[in-house]
Amino acid sequence: AQKITQTQPGMFVQEKEAVTLDCTYDTSDPSYGLFWYKQPSSGEMIFLIYQGSYDQQNATEGRYSLNFQKARKSANLVISASQLGDSAMYFCAMREGMGTGGFKTIFGAGTRLFVKA
Amino acid sequence: KAGVTQTPRYLIKTRGQQVTLSCSPISGHRSVSWYQQTPGQGLQFLFEYFSETQRNKGNFPGRFSGRQFSNSRSEMNVSTLELGDSALYLCASSPVGHDEKLFFGSGTQLSVL
Repeated sequence: AQKITQTQPGMFVQEKEAVTLDCTYDTSDPSYGLFWYKQPSSGEMIFLIYQGSYDQQNATEGRYSLNFQKARKSANLVISASQLGDSAMYFCAMREGMGTGGFKTIFGAGTRLFVKA
Repeated sequence: KAGVTQTPRYLIKTRGQQVTLSCSPISGHRSVSWYQQTPGQGLQFLFEYFSETQRNKGNFPGRFSGRQFSNSRSEMNVSTLELGDSALYLCASSPVGHDEKLFFGSGTQLSVL
């Protein structure tokens, strides 16, 4: 069965520093997608970054980068130059399957990030 | 482009009642997924609809059901509410494409008393 593990319930980072949020996954499907979402206190989930299982290079989106280590089944999120507005819950997610069979995306338990001024 | 719209934003019901939640996806998105979020269980997948067909279902009892209309709008129904159904219900739409990332609505906060 597919599984997503986020081992850091909470993290603190100083403003303007970089922080890494850990995520490991388990799947037997060779085709999958890995995502990170941010959930501020308002509740809405915001897409941050995507990495496909066949992508050779690590994904980057502005201050966000995904450290994808396929052999280790790891997909860590790196946030550079943290800002106060980055304080939120962060979820790692995995989508299995493609095509007409549909897909479902499963989420990890989340990591709450606190950015200190 | 308008985002994913969920109504109502807040809902209070009592045990035994039934409830219907609504979700309007982003225009052009044909896939709609539903998730239940609770502090104890986190985000759990309920079901996914595409072109009015349920393609995938999570591990929830039959009291949880849904449907999708021809305009891609989706409804989720929970019958015979239990206290444990209190949660934030999130709807997400997705274009059919390479990454199929999810675009979430603000959710419906359901409280069962």
